[in-house]
Amino acid sequence: DAGVTQSPTHLIKTRGQQVTLRCSPISGHKSVSWYQQVLGQGPQFIFQYYEKEERGRGNFPDRFSARQFPNYSSELNVNALLLGDSALYLCASSPAGTVTDTQYFGPGTRLTVL
Amino acid sequence: AQSVAQPEDQVNVAEGNPLTVKCTYSVSGNPYLFWYVQYPNRGLQFLLKYITGDNLVKGSYGFEAEFNKSQTSFHLKKPSALVSDSALYFCAVRDRKNSGGYQKVTFGIGTKLQVIP
Repeated sequence: DAGVTQSPTHLIKTRGQQVTLRCSPISGHKSVSWYQQVLGQGPQFIFQYYEKEERGRGNFPDRFSARQFPNYSSELNVNALLLGDSALYLCASSPAGTVTDTQYFGPGTRLTVL
Repeated sequence: AQSVAQPEDQVNVAEGNPLTVKCTYSVSGNPYLFWYVQYPNRGLQFLLKYITGDNLVKGSYGFEAEFNKSQTSFHLKKPSALVSDSALYFCAVRDRKNSGGYQKVTFGIGTKLQVIP
């Protein structure tokens, strides 16, 4: 089976622009979470979605938003990009999104804001 | 609040020797604990997790970790290191009490493991 896939692999934007990142979970997984990993740091939790509803949100500004589609894929949107948004954005999926579920991560999207 | 500390930025070990990567945690309730590995320009790969039960957890690629509640630690270990184990290792925690029913995981800053041939 294919793992979690993310697109695009790399992205370069300028300050003030908007970006959309995409994620397809492992087949059969209904929960998707998004993490931001700044260089030299561990991933930080942004959102979790389950069955198209937001289940949890981390400490990120309202410029960050996400949604989940009926096929369980997900998009992360970031508006009014800042230089500090440059990071690796990771998507993780899990079967049912419960607290004991293991999250499986995709390869990430590298976002560079100039 | 939940937090994780990985006290060593880098661990160097000779190939064939045992390795230990340290992790301590802080939660208000009981913890769920995870180890992930990240290779350069790659996402995170799941190694193992502690949910409940036996304090010694065995995972992928010969890795294991020991949960120690009194020391609030969850150190990652392997009896014999391989050069291919060289990577960045992340410990992560989820607070069972304050999870809010969702999967927010708090990661440490990572420990770089260098296995020397």
